[in-house]
Amino acid sequence: DSGVTQTPKHLITATGQRVTLRCSPRSGDLSVYWYQQSLDQGLQFLIQYYNGEERAKGNILERFSAQQFPDLHSELNLSSLELGDSALYFCASSVRPGGETQYFGPGTRLLVL
Amino acid sequence: DQQVKQNSPSLSVQEGRISILNCDYTNSMFDYFLWYKKYPAEGPTFLISISSIKDKNEDGRFTVFLNKSAKHLSLHIVPSQPGDSAVYFCAASAWGETSGSRLTFGEGTQLTVNP
Repeated sequence: DSGVTQTPKHLITATGQRVTLRCSPRSGDLSVYWYQQSLDQGLQFLIQYYNGEERAKGNILERFSAQQFPDLHSELNLSSLELGDSALYFCASSVRPGGETQYFGPGTRLLVL
Repeated sequence: DQQVKQNSPSLSVQEGRISILNCDYTNSMFDYFLWYKKYPAEGPTFLISISSIKDKNEDGRFTVFLNKSAKHLSLHIVPSQPGDSAVYFCAASAWGETSGSRLTFGEGTQLTVNP
């Protein structure tokens, strides 16, 4: 158990819908990262927050957005969902904004039908 | 542009023997390297890391070697156990004050340890 929690564990929805994935970092960690794992793209970085502020952005679609709240939990919002958005979404956390180990949560499996 | 590559999709070894997993990278700005173990439908589990200022780091049965000139790192598991069977991912990061710290992952190597 890494100490990073993610909800929900599974999510099934339809194309065009919007969903919110939630992540709580390890106690004391200020930085949160979101990654997507799909069959054809492997594990891909989406976005990083540090102490409430966006720090880095990867190949995140404009339909996707994220935020980190004052209590340091983070939410990833996916809208206008397409079949290709079906994937595993992982959250990771670390104490500092970089140069150290990131600890991953168990993931949210999203299935878009 | 695949900046981190694991060229062996699978590796099979006998219990008690050494497992060697390899990883190559192209970005010379990477300064921190990690190995994660992953089971299907679970999150990656951190195993061991190494900073670019070192060439070796050891933790129990796991040792990571870094060869910066060759842009190559490897993970040695000795002795291998059946419970080590999983997918192993190599990852690298290059931290920038304004660019944050993202992990770039390899494609993974499926390790199978046979009893």
